[in-house]
Amino acid sequence: GIQVEQSPPDLILQEGANSTLRCNFSDSVNNLQWFHQNPWGQLINLFYIPSGTKQNGRLNATTVATERYSLLYISSSQTTDSGVYFCGYNFNKFYFGSGTKLNVKP
Amino acid sequence: ETGVTQSPTHLIKTRGQQVTLRCSSQSGHNTVSWYQQALGQGPQFIFQYYREEENGRGNFPPRFSGLQFPNYSSELNVNALELDDSALYLCASSPGFGEAEAFFGQGTRLTVV
Repeated sequence: GIQVEQSPPDLILQEGANSTLRCNFSDSVNNLQWFHQNPWGQLINLFYIPSGTKQNGRLNATTVATERYSLLYISSSQTTDSGVYFCGYNFNKFYFGSGTKLNVKP
Repeated sequence: ETGVTQSPTHLIKTRGQQVTLRCSSQSGHNTVSWYQQALGQGPQFIFQYYREEENGRGNFPPRFSGLQFPNYSSELNVNALELDDSALYLCASSPGFGEAEAFFGQGTRLTVV
């Protein structure tokens, strides 16, 4: 399968700060997704973004398929943004990146 | 909210027992896959069902088995539970085989004592 790498692995922010999470993949991916796993374990769909840019409130995602990467931008972070962010793609099973663990401090 | 529901949300079992976890897929989805996520780790693929047939399996022993019903809901059965089976079990549904957007349930947290 296509390898998916995420960076940074860990991120600590003060509430109100902005951040950018990155997802690199080793080959073309047609159905990239971003998830937020909250402290209770639930994987929340953030974006289905094979290419282009999408925005949802304080979150903005961009996928540049030709360059094999995707970015998730979080603005004005809140403590509820804490958790693990996964990117990945689905092809007969879901291939997850290694995740970025975000801790937003009050 | 995705429309994929899992039950129960939590349970505690004793080593050696058997457990059944359930997943109702989102309406219109015919593919369900299951994942095990140990604490602090990423999810690991267990198996996938497409139209009631097992369609792929990860590196899990045969005591992990599954079933998909005509309404595309699914069960994960684990026999002879071991302490290392303690984990969050996630199910995902998607509207087709191959490349398709995946939607995850809220998970079942299994503790084996």
